[in-house]
Amino acid sequence: QVQLQESGPGLVKPSQTLSLTCTVSGGSISSGSYYWSWIRQPAGKGLEWIGRISSSGSTNYHPSLKSRVTISVDTSKNQFSLNLSSVTASDTAVYSCARSPGYCSSTSCFYFDSWGQGTLVTVSS
Amino acid sequence: DIVMTQSPDSLAVSLGERATIDCKSSQSILHISNNKNYLAWYQQKPGQPPKLLIYWASTRESGVPDRFSGSGSGTDFTLTISSLQAEDVAVYYCQQYYSTLLTFGGGTKVEIK
Repeated sequence: QVQLQESGPGLVKPSQTLSLTCTVSGGSISSGSYYWSWIRQPAGKGLEWIGRISSSGSTNYHPSLKSRVTISVDTSKNQFSLNLSSVTASDTAVYSCARSPGYCSSTSCFYFDSWGQGTLVTVSS
Repeated sequence: DIVMTQSPDSLAVSLGERATIDCKSSQSILHISNNKNYLAWYQQKPGQPPKLLIYWASTRESGVPDRFSGSGSGTDFTLTISSLQAEDVAVYYCQQYYSTLLTFGGGTKVEIK
């Protein structure tokens, strides 16, 4: 049973870069055709997909965040990471990492079958 | 963007009764080539991450009780809880994965009447 765990600072100052890491256990981040995503949820609001990465490093980002987001993968550590630059108070949210099967029977299947617990990141001076 | 609209925002149902949640997409998420609807449903309990219930609009994830079912095609979808249990109190989300930009519905809160 794969498990995902987010880690990183819970408080980030405005205009700085938010950096989070997701550690995958119970399976290799490189196995299968899995894709690895970041999703956020502001308090009392819905879910927003931020972006995803494959184990080979192929990425897709939410267009509204693309200029500020970088997702990277470190297969040697079984981790993938999120960097979100120039943050403002509107970036305050619970940030979660999640896994998608990726490609199933020659079609894309980007639903999320495993999630981390999520970590609250507050942007404040 | 494909906008996902859920209704109602919240509903209260008596224990053992049926709960129905609707999800509408702003464009069809049915892929003609394989006749699959690219829609998933999740359950999120307080303080927990979302849990996958259903994918391909109607395929139940392993371990999900059979009182949960998904239906619909094209732009209109429904999650049904056939007999509400106390442990089903949660917020439910739909999500489309038809487009590269993945989007979620706003959520429906299910409570006990």
